[in-house]
Amino acid sequence: ETGVTQTPRHLVMGMTNKKSLKCEQHLGHNAMYWYKQSAKKPLELMFVYNFKEQTENNSVPSRFSPECPNSSHLFLHLHTLQPEDSALYLCASSQGARMNEQFFGPGTRLTVL
Amino acid sequence: DQQVKQNSPSLSVQEGRISILNCDYTNSMFDYFLWYKKYPAEGPTFLISISSIKDKNEDGRFTVFLNKSAKHLSLHIVPSQPGDSAVYFCAASHPPSGGSNYKLTFGKGTLLTVNP
Repeated sequence: ETGVTQTPRHLVMGMTNKKSLKCEQHLGHNAMYWYKQSAKKPLELMFVYNFKEQTENNSVPSRFSPECPNSSHLFLHLHTLQPEDSALYLCASSQGARMNEQFFGPGTRLTVL
Repeated sequence: DQQVKQNSPSLSVQEGRISILNCDYTNSMFDYFLWYKKYPAEGPTFLISISSIKDKNEDGRFTVFLNKSAKHLSLHIVPSQPGDSAVYFCAASHPPSGGSNYKLTFGKGTLLTVNP
């Protein structure tokens, strides 16, 4: 595997379900990001992890819970979501001085019923 | 309040002609600008970037121009090819503060269609 991978690619869940999104980067990067892309809106940064430590939480509701066990893996745990949380969730990673250039995974298309 | 604006949701161009995608920003602290391309069912991929100390950066068929006084940048693709059809996102960042990370602020994107 190369680059940034995300699983699952599609997820449908009810409002009472608990699910997790997984991201893995094979680039040796030290920073990982979660973004949300809703229809007709810009990508919105949710969380940033740098060397496994969370350095940014962009006022995300607590029903989204990130986890970064190591620099290569990032999870987004989902619990009691709302229909308006339906969106494309993108993971990205970056490295060192070129942290501006983020490499994105293909995303998970989430639908909350 | 959107700090990065792409006012054209879509653009259609004939193959072989020039595509010009525009982006405006409001935050004068932005000092690094990027363009990403996104195909359906894929994540955005980095295309080209420019630092605020430059006004032009070229990479093959892609050139980005930066006009700091107008807070405007543009991406030129010449010649355009059908495979360039995708959504193009403009993004900007400014130096992090307080030990935080660089953060990218994205525009909404412009759908480019290159017709054969």
